[in-house]
Amino acid sequence: EAQVTQNPRYLITVTGKKLTVTCSQNMNHEYMSWYRQDPGLGLRQIYYSMNVEVTDKGDVPEGYKVSRKEKRNFPLILESPSPNQTSLYFCASSTRDRVHEQYFGPGTRLTVT
Amino acid sequence: AQSVTQPDIHITVSEGASLELRCNYSYGATPYLFWYVQSPGQGLQLLLKYFSGDTLVQGIKGFEAEFKRSQSSFNLRKPSVHWSDAAEYFCAVGAQSNTGKLIFGQGTTLQVKP
Repeated sequence: EAQVTQNPRYLITVTGKKLTVTCSQNMNHEYMSWYRQDPGLGLRQIYYSMNVEVTDKGDVPEGYKVSRKEKRNFPLILESPSPNQTSLYFCASSTRDRVHEQYFGPGTRLTVT
Repeated sequence: AQSVTQPDIHITVSEGASLELRCNYSYGATPYLFWYVQSPGQGLQLLLKYFSGDTLVQGIKGFEAEFKRSQSSFNLRKPSVHWSDAAEYFCAVGAQSNTGKLIFGQGTTLQVKP
């Protein structure tokens, strides 16, 4: 089954404790992206990657890092999480020639206390 | 700057009634337009998309949307709502093709009364 998976689905952590949210897709997509969803704001792009070893900032990259060492994986790293990063995070992927037709993962709900 | 506005935060309709969810966008060129649905605890599922051509587009689950350039709108419609349609709906515009970024509206929560 074609899908985007994220782990963990739920995470509660404390300020400053480094964490990684994994994202993996099995569709051989070149393009991958991370969004965060906050009430009243919709989804906002954090980072995106056009292909392996090619990443760039979205609208809200502060406090986040990403890497794209393999085509299928695009982990989101929070080196020192803060409470304002409490949010619902979505990973998405697509082919490079149809970048806007994105398939979304199920989401990761992160709470930072 | 590109933006998407969904004027209705919350809408309640009776099962079997018709539905229209509003979406207005601001974008300099011909936009790529999307509607996504998010059921509780689920990711986003693409309902339909508009790239060019016929301004009335059909999607999954009986939804359709009409692109009106003069009104900068892309409203979502369904003739008869089912209880399973209760969810949050997001309109999005595809910005700058080299980033693949989707700009989302704030979302509209649909409640369906029996």
